Amino acid sequence: GDSVTQMEGPVTLSEEAFLTINCTYTATGYPSLFWYVQYPGEGLQLLLKATKADDKGSNKGFEATYRKETTSFHLEKGSVQVSDSAVYFCALTAANTGNQFYFGTGTSLTVIP
Amino acid sequence: DAMVIQNPRYQVTQFGKPVTLSCSQTLNHNVMYWYQQKSSQAPKLLFHYYDKDFNNEADTPDNFQSRRPNTSFCFLDIRSPGLGDAAMYLCATSREGLKNTEAFFGQGTRLTVV
Repeated sequence: GDSVTQMEGPVTLSEEAFLTINCTYTATGYPSLFWYVQYPGEGLQLLLKATKADDKGSNKGFEATYRKETTSFHLEKGSVQVSDSAVYFCALTAANTGNQFYFGTGTSLTVIP
Repeated sequence: DAMVIQNPRYQVTQFGKPVTLSCSQTLNHNVMYWYQQKSSQAPKLLFHYYDKDFNNEADTPDNFQSRRPNTSFCFLDIRSPGLGDAAMYLCATSREGLKNTEAFFGQGTRLTVV
């Protein structure tokens, strides 16, 4: 079945460091891919999305490119800030998933000044 | 602003005492989801509604029930909460029919069982 495998954390970075969080997926159809962010005690917020191969989603300095050949959707940011500290979830949905969103296990990011 | 609202944000209930969590949405989305999220884990889908059609996940315990009286509201009923049911419960919506739409989440209800 469809699934998402996400880089394990936790990740600790210094402010202004480069961030990569890996995400790969397995899907029988043509999924849409998402990154969600969860701040402590809050629900999930959509960070960015990509709906077809080679699409690049971007928001707030974060980027991810939908790579069909490697079935990947890695999250990157060139210079992280303390306010980026949160848990990041990769997710997919596809027409054949019955309206379901499949989430990765989440990666906790802590950015220290 | 259109949004997904969950009430209450924090709920404390006694072991075995029925509890209901509520979710409302102003997005007019036809799909609503309930997820359970335990500490440091991914959200786990309990069930979802496609319009009025209820879809239960195979591994969702019978202790969990849901009601959707209309498009805007959805409720999660836990008939006899156990200590293992303490978690964050997340409600989400999406619009089937819009290609590649994302899920919109509420802020969650943190359930404590004492």
